[in-house]
Amino acid sequence: QQQVKQSPQSLIVQKGGISIINCAYENTAFDYFPWYQQFPGKGPALLIAIRPDVSEKKEGRFTISFNKSAKQFSLHIMDSQPGDSATYFCAASRGPNDYKLSFGAGTTVTVRA
Amino acid sequence: DTEVTQTPKHLVMGMTNKKSLKCEQHMGHRAMYWYKQKAKKPPELMFVYSYEKLSINESVPSRFSPECPNSSLLNLHLHALQPEDSALYLCASSRGTGGISYNEQFFGPGTRLTVL
Repeated sequence: QQQVKQSPQSLIVQKGGISIINCAYENTAFDYFPWYQQFPGKGPALLIAIRPDVSEKKEGRFTISFNKSAKQFSLHIMDSQPGDSATYFCAASRGPNDYKLSFGAGTTVTVRA
Repeated sequence: DTEVTQTPKHLVMGMTNKKSLKCEQHMGHRAMYWYKQKAKKPPELMFVYSYEKLSINESVPSRFSPECPNSSLLNLHLHALQPEDSALYLCASSRGTGGISYNEQFFGPGTRLTVL
């Protein structure tokens, strides 16, 4: 049973466009929501993360929006570049004593030049 | 040093072989993890070591045997694997000391394992 549902499975965007990936969760005990970026043949790299006390967090072209009441969070990639083509995983974990990350199924983003 | 390193990058082994995967970090992290990742799937947690003690075993078959010799090193010993065990094996580490940033897991590049 997947605790974090991620959509879409894949998306194609033109260079300069906006990529949007959505995740939803049910477990209200989750309090840490990271996003990982993974290139083929490489390990996932932590991209950006958010806690529920913040509704939005921005780092460069990457923004996380968080809606606690809807139990949803999303990643926006602004001004998408071909180098952003990768698989993106959202994840969630519970409090300080939880080492487990519940991952979404992943979204493959392709940015066309 | 903000890297998690893994060796070897690729490994091909037969079902009767014994091999080991190695992972190292020098970030002072006290939690280390093994994950298995199949193509186009998210990483699946296998084991967690916290302060060099096995903290989590996600019901992994005994043909996978983890070892944490010290706080910087993590090994995964492999024996009598099956072809379905072929996957990317990822190591990760985190601070493991509680607080806001302790859950930040940093992944290594992985070992691509093929079992013939």
